[in-house]
Amino acid sequence: NAGVTQTPKFQVLKTGQSMTLQCAQDMNHNSMYWYRQDPGMGLRLIYYSASEGTTDKGEVPNGYNVSRLNKREFSLRLESAAPSQTSVYFCASSEAFPWGTGGNNEQFFGPGTRLTVL
Amino acid sequence: RKEVEQDPGPFNVPEGATVAFNCTYSNSASQSFFWYRQDCRKEPKLLMSVYSSGNEDGRFTAQLNRASQYISLLIRDSKLSDSATYLCVVASGQFYFGTGTSLTVIP
Repeated sequence: NAGVTQTPKFQVLKTGQSMTLQCAQDMNHNSMYWYRQDPGMGLRLIYYSASEGTTDKGEVPNGYNVSRLNKREFSLRLESAAPSQTSVYFCASSEAFPWGTGGNNEQFFGPGTRLTVL
Repeated sequence: RKEVEQDPGPFNVPEGATVAFNCTYSNSASQSFFWYRQDCRKEPKLLMSVYSSGNEDGRFTAQLNRASQYISLLIRDSKLSDSATYLCVVASGQFYFGTGTSLTVIP
């Protein structure tokens, strides 16, 4: 049981290049999330998928796209990387989305991807 | 106003000390509350959920005050291994994270 896995662990891009961050979970969770973490800013939600087949914007979606490929996998794509996207990216999953109606919505995080855009 | 606010610290305490962190949240309809721990350059990991009646796990005690809209984390008998950043998380429609409180336990 690997939990949440992310690839790659590290990446350096040049401005304008594109890349896809991969995330997979083996806990049969319904909801998945992408966050970025910057010094002094805390974790900020980029996109989320409350359930398979749905995706929605979070707090900072500009410059990113996502795909919920199946229940296990949720990828994040940078179409044209910018230096402002230099950050640590975390994928997370939870059994249920926190709509406020109960369910186990504890989040489990992957190990992160450290991205530098030059 | 931010959804969740925490004192960033840093808190530097000697081994064996008791330390408390507070976190305030803005949405009174928030349903779930958590404390996560994050070690340097690692992912956040759940430390404990926070229940309305308060809950304890060994040296850690979490409290929720809905009337004043804050949650707290108390660490007793601090260990060197407790050094980390502690994140307050509130769930109301999505997860909202505080910026974290840095704790260093000094020998």
